[in-house]
Amino acid sequence: GEDVEQSLFLSVREGDSSVINCTYTDSSSTYLYWYKQEPGAGLQLLTYIFSNMDMKQDQRLTVLLNKKDKHLSLRIADTQTGDSAIYFCAEIPPTGGKLIFGQGTELSVKP
Amino acid sequence: GAVVSQHPSWVICKSGTSVKIECRSLDFQATTMFWYRQFPKQSLMLMATSNEGSKATYEQGVEKDKFLINHASLTLSTLTVTSAHPEDSSFYICSGSGSLSYEQYFGPGTRLTVT
Repeated sequence: GEDVEQSLFLSVREGDSSVINCTYTDSSSTYLYWYKQEPGAGLQLLTYIFSNMDMKQDQRLTVLLNKKDKHLSLRIADTQTGDSAIYFCAEIPPTGGKLIFGQGTELSVKP
Repeated sequence: GAVVSQHPSWVICKSGTSVKIECRSLDFQATTMFWYRQFPKQSLMLMATSNEGSKATYEQGVEKDKFLINHASLTLSTLTVTSAHPEDSSFYICSGSGSLSYEQYFGPGTRLTVT
């Protein structure tokens, strides 16, 4: 079956790096995503990685994919208070275009 | 990234009335649109998937006669909550994907409160 799991909370200090982790069960997933949701807002696509990649970097964001362990992580360098939000990991299984979301990780950045 | 808008951003209605929520893709053609609902502190629950010009495909447990979805053009989909009840109060979010089907862009959401 398809399942995506994330830890629910993460608290870091401003300027530190944040690492948000995600595990998924469908090894045939083609794309894996990270979305950010600020309070009362929709989801913002931060980045995604194709399943044949191990790593993708985009400015302060680094995505690591370990296919063997079905583990995806999002590292945010130099975390700022504006990064406080809920981060959702998601996958698209090969069966169709609908996203399977994790529960979301609430990132709290303390000054 | 591509932009999706929703209207209204929030609405309060009386129990028994119907409410229509619009979802528009502003700078791309959304061949597929998705409707989600989200309860506080929870993840998104997919309600239905719609392709332009076709009937929507509803997820298990979602009443298609209660949540009417229309996707009449490549830039507009609507969700009508019919005979709304307080338990329909929620945050409704739409998303769209275009030619790159693996990229899905979300609207800002609509907060529905039924009194």
